[in-house]
Amino acid sequence: AQRVTQPEKLLSVFKGAPVELKCNYSYSGSPELFWYVQYSRQRLQLLLRHISRESIKGFTADLNKGETSFHLKKPFAQEEDSAMYYCAPAGGGADGLTFGKGTHLIIQP
Amino acid sequence: EAQVTQNPRYLITVTGKKLTVTCSQNMNHEYMSWYRQDPGLGLRQIYYSMNVEVTDKGDVPEGYKVSRKEKRNFPLILESPSPNQTSLYFCASSYFSEVNEQFFGPGTRLTVL
Repeated sequence: AQRVTQPEKLLSVFKGAPVELKCNYSYSGSPELFWYVQYSRQRLQLLLRHISRESIKGFTADLNKGETSFHLKKPFAQEEDSAMYYCAPAGGGADGLTFGKGTHLIIQP
Repeated sequence: EAQVTQNPRYLITVTGKKLTVTCSQNMNHEYMSWYRQDPGLGLRQIYYSMNVEVTDKGDVPEGYKVSRKEKRNFPLILESPSPNQTSLYFCASSYFSEVNEQFFGPGTRLTVL
């Protein structure tokens, strides 16, 4: 069965420090990989997806197929980055879309 | 404006009283789904629909029903709500399938007493 692990429930860093949110997945085949973000009192929205290889709001995510990881990184955290972050692999057919349990990122001033 | 809407946004009800949460999207999306969000458990999929009249169970379907009679609407039905269904519910939609970007509704906070 497919599985997504975000090992940190809560991650607190100071403004200006680097941030890395970890995501490991176990899926058959090669799933499409997403990071979604939920700011306080807002709906979830797409942050970035692997296939587009974009940098959104300074975030990037590196796919490591050997480790089956898709960690989210930002070199210099900003206070507005405080939010819940969800890693979500999506495979076709029975594998479906699975969300990790989320990491609550807090950026301290 | 392209969006996913849910109604109601907040609902307090009592055990056993049937309720429906509506979800509508104006983007002509084929794929729609329902999630519940609980602290420490993240988002868990309840049901999904690949297109009109095509629905299937997600990871936590017990106690819920859905229907997809029109492409734009995907209501979530709780025939006999129980307190363990107290949660924050999100509807989402996307082009074709789950491998494309999901667009989420604003959420419905349900409390079952």
